[in-house]
Amino acid sequence: DAGVIQSPRHEVTEMGQEVTLRCKPISGHDYLFWYRQTMMRGLELLIYFNNNVPIDDSGMPEDRFSAKMPNASFSTLKIQPSEPRDSAVYFCASRLGPSPYYEQYFGPGTRLTVT
Amino acid sequence: DAKTTQPNSMESNEEEPVHLPCNHSTISGTDYIHWYRQLPSQGPEYVIHGLTSNVNNRMASLAIAEDRKSSTLILHRATLRDAAVYYCILKSGGGADGLTFGKGTHLIIQP
Repeated sequence: DAGVIQSPRHEVTEMGQEVTLRCKPISGHDYLFWYRQTMMRGLELLIYFNNNVPIDDSGMPEDRFSAKMPNASFSTLKIQPSEPRDSAVYFCASRLGPSPYYEQYFGPGTRLTVT
Repeated sequence: DAKTTQPNSMESNEEEPVHLPCNHSTISGTDYIHWYRQLPSQGPEYVIHGLTSNVNNRMASLAIAEDRKSSTLILHRATLRDAAVYYCILKSGGGADGLTFGKGTHLIIQP
């Protein structure tokens, strides 16, 4: 398996623009997670899905952020409109089964810069 | 999830064993101890996890204290590629899912 795939790897955009980050989880994994990493806040969970259904979005910073999982092999994280403080590395991760018995597999991340 | 405490940084020499400590004095009976690491410019990577007994895999060993209030991740023969931030995380079966990352231990390997 190719692992978790994220695109783009780097994104530079101007404030106010819409940004869409994409993720393809490992085939057969029932859980998908979106995390954000900044120097100030470290790694933090934004939202996670189980069987394509959003379960907990309490980590999503505000209404400008939205995430979807239209099918088992694809998820998007959208920021509209983007702001400079959204600059961070965004990671997608997937997991085969329920916590705490299974491990998460992380993608390489998307480095977002909002100018 | 219960809180963990790790040293901010540790330094070791290449080809020597490394023992990374983690304190979790408020661990509950259902908490599993998970270790992840993050190499520079990469996503976190699973290392190992356990509940009560010591665990071994191809990457590392996990030694869990008898009272489970602390654990140690053991890299048997460190290489330069093991330089990373190592995170000790407690996970139980119930409650919020996802991983709660602390600051972790920044492991420096000297050649």
